[in-house]
Amino acid sequence: ETGVTQTPRHLVMGMTNKKSLKCEQHLGHNAMYWYKQSAKKPLELMFVYNFKEQTENNSVPSRFSPECPNSSHLFLHLHTLQPEDSALYLCASSQDRLQATGELFFGEGSRLTVL
Amino acid sequence: AQSVSQHNHHVILSEAASLELGCNYSYGGTVNLFWYVQYPGQHLQLLLKYFSGDPLVKGIKGFEAEFIKSKFSFNLRKPSVQWSDTAEYFCAVNSNTGNQFYFGTGTSLTVIP
Repeated sequence: ETGVTQTPRHLVMGMTNKKSLKCEQHLGHNAMYWYKQSAKKPLELMFVYNFKEQTENNSVPSRFSPECPNSSHLFLHLHTLQPEDSALYLCASSQDRLQATGELFFGEGSRLTVL
Repeated sequence: AQSVSQHNHHVILSEAASLELGCNYSYGGTVNLFWYVQYPGQHLQLLLKYFSGDPLVKGIKGFEAEFIKSKFSFNLRKPSVQWSDTAEYFCAVNSNTGNQFYFGTGTSLTVIP
């Protein structure tokens, strides 16, 4: 139990579907992240939210749309995805963006398959 | 931009063998260094971290890592591996002025009983 919960754990969707990934953290952290983990590639940072404000967007295509309604919840809305978007999507949290020595706490990930 | 290189993609060892996984990073400023581990079917979790002070850092489960600033390296070591150490190991770097964590591609370790 990491304190970071992701749902669903597995998702299969067609290219025309709209779905959402959800992340919830129970650690009292203020910063939340979405990462993409693909085989044989470094973890790719997608989005960072700090105190509900988006502070990083690493040139992520607009078919991925994040939402952070409060410091404990983070969503990734998905629409018109491509097969190459199939990957493990990891949510993480840390104490604070400004606490530079903070470590990341990860969820178990949502395995996405785009057909 | 920062980058992290892990040169060993897949390592296979017998139990009781010694382990060293390489990690090099490129960044000119002050960094914090991490090793994360992902056991099969589990979440990524912190193995050890270096912020400052003694460059030899000890983590959980008998792992240690040494920060060599002149070589931009932070290699992970364990004197005697166990079957339960089978996992994916990720080196990560973050500058102490920002909140970007840069990860390597990971090293898959398989320990044969």
